[in-house]
Amino acid sequence: RKEVEQDPGPFNVPEGATVAFNCTYSNSASQSFFWYRQDCRKEPKLLMSVYSSGNEDGRFTAQLNRASQYISLLIRDSKLSDSATYLCVVFKTSYDKVIFGPGTSLSVIP
Amino acid sequence: DTEVTQTPKHLVMGMTNKKSLKCEQHMGHRAMYWYKQKAKKPPELMFVYSYEKLSINESVPSRFSPECPNSSLLNLHLHALQPEDSALYLCASSKEASLNQPQHFGDGTRLSIL
Repeated sequence: RKEVEQDPGPFNVPEGATVAFNCTYSNSASQSFFWYRQDCRKEPKLLMSVYSSGNEDGRFTAQLNRASQYISLLIRDSKLSDSATYLCVVFKTSYDKVIFGPGTSLSVIP
Repeated sequence: DTEVTQTPKHLVMGMTNKKSLKCEQHMGHRAMYWYKQKAKKPPELMFVYSYEKLSINESVPSRFSPECPNSSLLNLHLHALQPEDSALYLCASSKEASLNQPQHFGDGTRLSIL
């Protein structure tokens, strides 16, 4: 089993839709979690950190469920510019054990 | 625009060549990283530098040789690479090499080995 797993998609959604991605991790000692987005042929860009209490940034909401070992990203009112690959990033007990999930591809359609 | 600058943007080299990738950041970050990313795959960590010292080498072949001349610069020296080394090489930095410090990426060097 991979250490970090994501549904690869692709998710094809109409503009204005709400879409949710999940990411599961296998190591219960994992400490820090982030969502990055990566556009085609571009570098990953930090979207948001994920906190235990959940956090929101505009149209984006991130949740962490330590008991079930998953994190989620909810995007409301999808825009065309949200089309990208969304990467879940998990830090284990030390900074050197940073693991990227395989990514989930999102296409927002007019 | 990214605050982590990588040069060159593209590099084509033969298997016998020696070249270097460069990365620079002026955010005062004390941790810098090299990643390798193949098409449609997530980035894979190669090296971690913390306070200019190599902290982690993720079992990377010796044909890749990192160097951190100072806190703002990170180089990756390449020698005798193989065609399978063709990939996007990403540099990243963070305030500290510790948890809860997100990494900021440069836009990468696209490397092709002939």
